[in-house]
Amino acid sequence: QKEVEQDPGPLSVPEGAIVSLNCTYSNSAFQYFMWYRQYSRKGPELLMYTYSSGNKEDGRFTAQVDKSSKYISLFIRDSQPSDSATYLCAMSAAGRGGGYQKVTFGTGTKLQVIP
Amino acid sequence: DSGVTQTPKHLITATGQRVTLRCSPRSGDLSVYWYQQSLDQGLQFLIQYYNGEERAKGNILERFSAQQFPDLHSELNLSSLELGDSALYFCASSVTPGPDWEAFFGQGTRLTVV
Repeated sequence: QKEVEQDPGPLSVPEGAIVSLNCTYSNSAFQYFMWYRQYSRKGPELLMYTYSSGNKEDGRFTAQVDKSSKYISLFIRDSQPSDSATYLCAMSAAGRGGGYQKVTFGTGTKLQVIP
Repeated sequence: DSGVTQTPKHLITATGQRVTLRCSPRSGDLSVYWYQQSLDQGLQFLIQYYNGEERAKGNILERFSAQQFPDLHSELNLSSLELGDSALYFCASSVTPGPDWEAFFGQGTRLTVV
């Protein structure tokens, strides 16, 4: 079983829809949670970063972490065709003696927003 | 454009061969990361250098090696290539040695082994 599980999709939604992207994880030590966006033929770019549990909002994007369920979500409101990309969840734990462990990535969910 | 430059963009080579992938980090960045991305395994961390020194090692095969030069560019060497090495290879760079999520990714090198 992988440490981080993510539905590969593809997920196809009409423009303006609310999109929900999700990941589950098994390592209870994870406390840093990230979402990356990767356009076709490009490298990943950091979209959202959250520490521990709770919600974080940035414009049309909301990241949600539920540590008790080991479940994280990314919500996209009023989705646009320009949001069409692959979304990767990622997680990290604290390192020994401070610092951070290496990030573990999900395999990504491909999203297509249809005009 | 992240400012991280990777060359070449595409590479097709035969099994058993050796290739070198190059990464120029953003101006001022001292840390360089290498990742491999495949459909089944996702994005996997390979190795990190900081200011010329190896900082961290991930699931990097013994057939693979990397280095960071005094001008801070980095090269990833892949030898005795196998079909399973076909993947996207990304370089990322950051100013500090961590956390990893502060690094900016290049556009990647797509390696096809035939």
